[in-house]
Amino acid sequence: DIVLTQAPLSVSVTPGESASISCRSSKSLLSSKGITSLYWYLQKPGKSPQLLIYRMSNLASGVPDRFSGSGSETDFTLKISKVETEDVGVYYCAQFLEYPLTFGSGTKLEIK
Amino acid sequence: EVQLKESGPGLVQPSQTLSLTCTVSGFSLTDYSVHWVRQPPGKGLEWMGVMWSGGSTAYNLVLKSRLSISRDTSKSQVFLKMNSLQTEDTAIYYCTRHYYSVLFDYWGQGVMVTVSS
Repeated sequence: DIVLTQAPLSVSVTPGESASISCRSSKSLLSSKGITSLYWYLQKPGKSPQLLIYRMSNLASGVPDRFSGSGSETDFTLKISKVETEDVGVYYCAQFLEYPLTFGSGTKLEIK
Repeated sequence: EVQLKESGPGLVQPSQTLSLTCTVSGFSLTDYSVHWVRQPPGKGLEWMGVMWSGGSTAYNLVLKSRLSISRDTSKSQVFLKMNSLQTEDTAIYYCTRHYYSVLFDYWGQGVMVTVSS
């Protein structure tokens, strides 16, 4: 199975500052079709996860452009610029290059 | 409006079978695939399996021997059945949809299933 390792485990951010979350894959997520199958989700407290970024760098519908995704074949970053209090929760990366679909273990974002 | 809603028993006895239903609205099961994802209390997300829009299925191998996913397109429902439940199967069970490159843009609210005698 492809293992996704997220860092840090948790991050505390002052509102208005930026935050970055890393996701490292045990295998290249670049498909033969040139698509990078890496996704980012935010799970707010007590809620279902919500899609933020699909295919490494594409912003999902309705997601503020404060969120951005970037990376290479195995190393990925979610950046949140100008963090707001509503961004609190656990961030997960996920891959669906191959079965089984796997998730990272999550990064908890807190507000200072 | 797109909606997915899970339903099923909140409590299941050990060794028994879990049956869950995901009822969808606002889209067609023949256009979108539906996945099941679960989350043990205080832990991370685990992919369980998928009902593809074409009608085929795929499962996480760690669950495959116990898991079955089916659907009734006329009722816009996807079903999950998992047998031989143990306490470690206690989790929130979510259904979520998938369309080409957009993976999991809508989720159900989840259903909490507790395995206990």
